[in-house]
Amino acid sequence: GAVVSQHPSRVICKSGTSVKIECRSLDFQATTMFWYRQFPKQSLMLMATSNEGSKATYEQGVEKDKFLINHASLTLSTLTVTSAHPEDSSFYICSARPPGQAPGGYTFGSGTRLTVV
Amino acid sequence: AQTVTQSQPEMSVQEAETVTLSCTYDTSESDYYLFWYKQPPSRQMILVIRQEAYKQQNATENRFSVNFQKAAKSFSLKISDSQLGDAAMYFCAHSGAGSYQLTFGKGTKLSVIP
Repeated sequence: GAVVSQHPSRVICKSGTSVKIECRSLDFQATTMFWYRQFPKQSLMLMATSNEGSKATYEQGVEKDKFLINHASLTLSTLTVTSAHPEDSSFYICSARPPGQAPGGYTFGSGTRLTVV
Repeated sequence: AQTVTQSQPEMSVQEAETVTLSCTYDTSESDYYLFWYKQPPSRQMILVIRQEAYKQQNATENRFSVNFQKAAKSFSLKISDSQLGDAAMYFCAHSGAGSYQLTFGKGTKLSVIP
């Protein structure tokens, strides 16, 4: 089946540094990928929609300059958390919908636990 | 705008018994899809079942079935013959037919008691 690979699974960084999270579709091309943030015991909140070859679309309240999204190829989207602070600590998940899948047939990455110290 | 409400933060069920998880939604879309996703401790999101709003027949997938009440905007998930592996967070979600975006509820944590 379709697989979305997300790396790293866990990362700890110092406050003020930047962290890059990668999301790859392994066996299909994804023109659109989605980035979610999940707080402990909370739901998934859509942060942005990543579009191959164009700018990402950010949800209201999400800082574009802090959460940089790049979708340079049909199989790779990256989320860079810039100048990270402890409040950015969270679980980040990406997803994509393989071609031909019915709506909602998204494949999710396994997520990245970011801890900013 | 779309909203998805899950009023049960936690539920428990005895192994082999049946449990129903509740979900209500509000949508401005005339055509849409509803989903139940499972998130086990591994945190990997897994699609459990999907319902197309224009279909009156309730979707079923093996031990999982839904009760879709369109007029009441209700979409509950029934798990029959519960197994230990069913223990997870369950999220109800909505997507407009013309949109790729999912709106999730806050989730219900299901525990299965041996």
